[in-house]
Amino acid sequence: NAGVTQTPKFQVLKTGQSMTLQCAQDMNHEYMSWYRQDPGMGLRLIHYSVGAGITDQGEVPNGYNVSRSTTEDFPLRLLSAAPSQTSVYFCASRDRGPNGYTFGSGTRLTVV
Amino acid sequence: KQEVTQIPAALSVPEGENLVLNCSFTDSAIYNLQWFRQDPGKGLTSLLLIQSSQREQTSGRLNASLDKSSGRSTLYIAASQPGDSATYLCAVSLLNDMRFGAGTRLTVKP
Repeated sequence: NAGVTQTPKFQVLKTGQSMTLQCAQDMNHEYMSWYRQDPGMGLRLIHYSVGAGITDQGEVPNGYNVSRSTTEDFPLRLLSAAPSQTSVYFCASRDRGPNGYTFGSGTRLTVV
Repeated sequence: KQEVTQIPAALSVPEGENLVLNCSFTDSAIYNLQWFRQDPGKGLTSLLLIQSSQREQTSGRLNASLDKSSGRSTLYIAASQPGDSATYLCAVSLLNDMRFGAGTRLTVKP
């Protein structure tokens, strides 16, 4: 049982480059979310999805795109990387029931 | 807008002490509250989940309480050990997303 899998674990980008952070879960969870974690600020919600084909913005969506074509996958796309997007990114998922969220191990992104 | 605050930001205690970490939130209309542990450079490990209708949850040496009306939760750690050293995060769920506090960094000294 893999849970929530994030790839890559580490990435260095140059300003202006684009890339996709991958997130996959094998628990058939309907809810999936992307968070970024910055020092001293806790985790902030970027985008979330309540099911395949349905996405919505969180607190800090600017500069990021998402799509949810399948229940399992929820990729996060950086359109044109900026140094302010240097952060640790976490993907999380949960089912429709009363259970809490399960988190992936994170992607550490540095934009130079 | 839901704001989540954790106090203290950092805490250092000798091994064996009982301790309490505090979490407060501004909007009582929450779905549930979850406490996580995060080790340096690692992901989040769920410790306890309290539904909005519950008052507390226990797991081993950990006990979490929830008072929705006052917007407060506490995480009680009994007989602390050096292995408990980590950052503890409180998060309230608003059904479709979660709002996190900034965390309490706990150090337990041998």
